[in-house]
Amino acid sequence: AQKITQTQPGMFVQEKEAVTLDCTYDTSDQSYGLFWYKQPSSGEMIFLIYQGSYDEQNATEGRYSLNFQKARKSANLVISASQLGDSAMYFCAMREGHSARQLTFGSGTQLTVLP
Amino acid sequence: EADIYQTPRYLVIGTGKKITLECSQTMGHDKMYWYQQDPGMELHLIHYSYGVNSTEKGDLSSESTVSRIRTEHFPLTLESARPSHTSQYLCASSIPGLAGDAYTGELFFGEGSRLTVL
Repeated sequence: AQKITQTQPGMFVQEKEAVTLDCTYDTSDQSYGLFWYKQPSSGEMIFLIYQGSYDEQNATEGRYSLNFQKARKSANLVISASQLGDSAMYFCAMREGHSARQLTFGSGTQLTVLP
Repeated sequence: EADIYQTPRYLVIGTGKKITLECSQTMGHDKMYWYQQDPGMELHLIHYSYGVNSTEKGDLSSESTVSRIRTEHFPLTLESARPSHTSQYLCASSIPGLAGDAYTGELFFGEGSRLTVL
């Protein structure tokens, strides 16, 4: 079974609008971390935001916020006031448990911001 | 700003050649990783290391090998490259987790090495 599911292969958003990128996850661990990364066409992976399974507040980092719904096992990324530079591939990832060794990534969402 | 470097950024070679992809980090991180990514696809872990002289294979089977002789250096080697090895290879290192919890530390990535085997 997929541990991280991103159901939107591609998304379009108008500049200055907000956009939500979906991510659902599957784990039986109580302790886990959820991450979002941005990958521009140049190929590097840029860390955006982190949410821990025990965090009661939704994480926020500037224009990025994470809509964490634990019961639904979803961790959607919200980008407010989209900019042309936000056009990129976005990956949701999870790290499980206290002996976690790696991040498991979803298949990604290609976001295109339209002028 | 993460200090993790990969060379070469781009490499085009012929079948049968031996190649080494270099990865270095100056942050003193113990944990390092190699991921493989085909264009537009998810990342798959192929190797990881918890520290010097510690290396393990990841979830995706790979014919490559790695070594960790120094904390800052984690090179990946293909003894005989084939067209099926054409991919992007991303190196990463990880900060210690908060309060010792391993799951909280994010990965810092290098810029990647795009390998094309003809």
